Amino acid sequence: AAGVIQSPRHLIKEKRETATLKCYPIPRHDTVYWYQQGPGQDPQFLISFYEKMQSDKGSIPDRFSAQQFSDYHSELNMSSLELGDSALYFCASSLDKGPSKWGNTEAFFGQGTRLTVV
Amino acid sequence: ELKVEQNPLFLSMQEGKNYTIYCNYSTTSDRLYWYRQDPGKSLESLFVLLSNGAVKQEGRLMASLDTKARLSTLHITAAVHDLSATYFCAGTYSGAGSYQLTFGKGTKLSVIP
Repeated sequence: AAGVIQSPRHLIKEKRETATLKCYPIPRHDTVYWYQQGPGQDPQFLISFYEKMQSDKGSIPDRFSAQQFSDYHSELNMSSLELGDSALYFCASSLDKGPSKWGNTEAFFGQGTRLTVV
Repeated sequence: ELKVEQNPLFLSMQEGKNYTIYCNYSTTSDRLYWYRQDPGKSLESLFVLLSNGAVKQEGRLMASLDTKARLSTLHITAAVHDLSATYFCAGTYSGAGSYQLTFGKGTKLSVIP
């Protein structure tokens, strides 16, 4: 079965550089979530999209932005990278049928992108 | 705002023993999830608990949900080394506008021979 695909799997950037992380959700899933997991930490919600519109925003720095495209893939853009941005970035997708409706809302996670800022 | 607390955060147990991980959450949660994560790897969904009294079992793991006590448990029966991993519980609250997951800090389980 198709899973959530993230690319790249590993990324090394220098401080103040920019990075773009990509996420391809499970086919027909309508919701994408981005999470950041620092070393030894629990995943923290960054942002989500439902049907290509931003549906919720968490602890995402202003230096980061994200969008979901017409083919439902999503990109997380990170600028002015800082050492503290080094983390695992996960994308998850689900079939939510809208944030106010019950659906198959189990979220499936991708393999993650390990970002190292040096 | 939904808060999720797990305990213990670290658990070292011998093979063959039983133990329970506890997950308390602060407000009404639409559903409760348990995930497993191996070091540097993705989050593997173990259980989704939707209603009060829900109990699910898979192999040596059993999860339950008590919505009145705002408590979920993950019970490990006759632990084996392969169960060594970090286990996260997570809740969702649709009032936030989406089904974003709020995670507990995780329980790092080490099963020793």
